[in-house]
Amino acid sequence: EIVMTQSPATLSVSPGERATLSCRASQSVSSNLAWYQQKPGQAPRLLIYGASTRATGIPARFSGSGSGTEFTLTISSLQSEDFAVYYCQQYNNWPPRTFGQGTKVEIK
Amino acid sequence: QVQLVQSGAEVKKPGASVKVSCKASGYTFTSYGISWVRQAPGQGLEWMGWISTYNGNTNYAQMLQGRVTMTTDTSTSTAYMELRSLRSDDTAVYYCARDIWGGNRSPFDYWGQGTLVTVSS
Repeated sequence: EIVMTQSPATLSVSPGERATLSCRASQSVSSNLAWYQQKPGQAPRLLIYGASTRATGIPARFSGSGSGTEFTLTISSLQSEDFAVYYCQQYNNWPPRTFGQGTKVEIK
Repeated sequence: QVQLVQSGAEVKKPGASVKVSCKASGYTFTSYGISWVRQAPGQGLEWMGWISTYNGNTNYAQMLQGRVTMTTDTSTSTAYMELRSLRSDDTAVYYCARDIWGGNRSPFDYWGQGTLVTVSS
């Protein structure tokens, strides 16, 4: 089973600043990596797939990069609606399609 | 528009079973697989398994093997997840989620609203 490890667990950022979230896979997942955003009481929302492709309707301030085992989600200028929990997920080798444990982005 | 609408909250006793439904609309049901994902209170996302809506093939998370069954009813475009021998640590919100494309490797683009299953004596 591929283990996904996200860091940091919590990221404190001021509105307008850049946020950089990391995700590491225990073995290569090629570019088969997605990022999701989840707000309290809501279902997750797909942000990025294929490591770097924004899903439909996702603002350009969200960008993804990486391949193999190291991935990054960058939010270029945090807006109030971006404070949430972010999960990475690999879908290269499954079952299971494993998620990371999440990074909470909170207001500094 | 694509929608996945799940059944309502359930309260079950330990040892019982629960069956959650996920009714799809707005697309061709048999063209995209469905996964089930759960989230215990205050915890992260856990992938439970996947079903092909085309032929009913399934893949389950090893830790749930023997307790979970996923099925579909193509006549009503509905997916089902049944979990048996419930324990207190099965208390969670259960989501269905659609593959973004057909094929072997796919993230999820649409999610149901979630169904809270509470297991308590």
